[in-house]
Amino acid sequence: AQSVTQPDIHITVSEGASLELRCNYSYGATPYLFWYVQSPGQGLQLLLKYFSGDTLVQGIKGFEAEFKRSQSSFNLRKPSVHWSDAAEYFCAVGASGGYNKLIFGAGTRLAVHP
Amino acid sequence: DTGVSQDPRHKITKRGQNVTFRCDPISEHNRLYWYRQTLGQGPEFLTYFQNEAQLEKSRLLSDRFSAERPKGSFSTLEIQRTEQGDSAMYLCASSLDGGDEQYFGPGTRLTVT
Repeated sequence: AQSVTQPDIHITVSEGASLELRCNYSYGATPYLFWYVQSPGQGLQLLLKYFSGDTLVQGIKGFEAEFKRSQSSFNLRKPSVHWSDAAEYFCAVGASGGYNKLIFGAGTRLAVHP
Repeated sequence: DTGVSQDPRHKITKRGQNVTFRCDPISEHNRLYWYRQTLGQGPEFLTYFQNEAQLEKSRLLSDRFSAERPKGSFSTLEIQRTEQGDSAMYLCASSLDGGDEQYFGPGTRLTVT
């Protein structure tokens, strides 16, 4: 069965520091992978996605993620975190079926210290 | 394009009551999804519509839950005889046929007392 694991429930970083959020997936075929961000009172916003091709994908707000098939991972990175990045981040995999039903991880809550 | 909208944003109800939520997808998006998100968890898939046809329902969608999408436009999610375990954020998303991005609404937060 498809599943997504985000090992870190909470992460705290200082503003300006680099960030890496971990995501591991279990999927039988080539996955469609996504990172979404959710701020309080807001809906989920897509940061970036991977379907095929270049394994390093660029997203909005300066985020990037790298697909590593051998490690079944799709970690999210940002070189310098801003206070406005404080939010909850969800990794998701697009399930089979031809319509991209999403399976989400439990999320990582990011706090940013000034 | 005003994005996906959901109504109401918050709903407090007593156990045993029925509630109905509405989702208006982005116009021309023929795919519509419902998800449920409980505290500290990621969203979980509930059901999917392609136009007006409900093509998949999760095992999470017990017989107390029903969803419709008449005429392939807006969708409603009804919960009958609500239970405290139904307390959650109910998220709606839409996408284009063949599209790869789901656009999420702000959600309806349900509290069952």
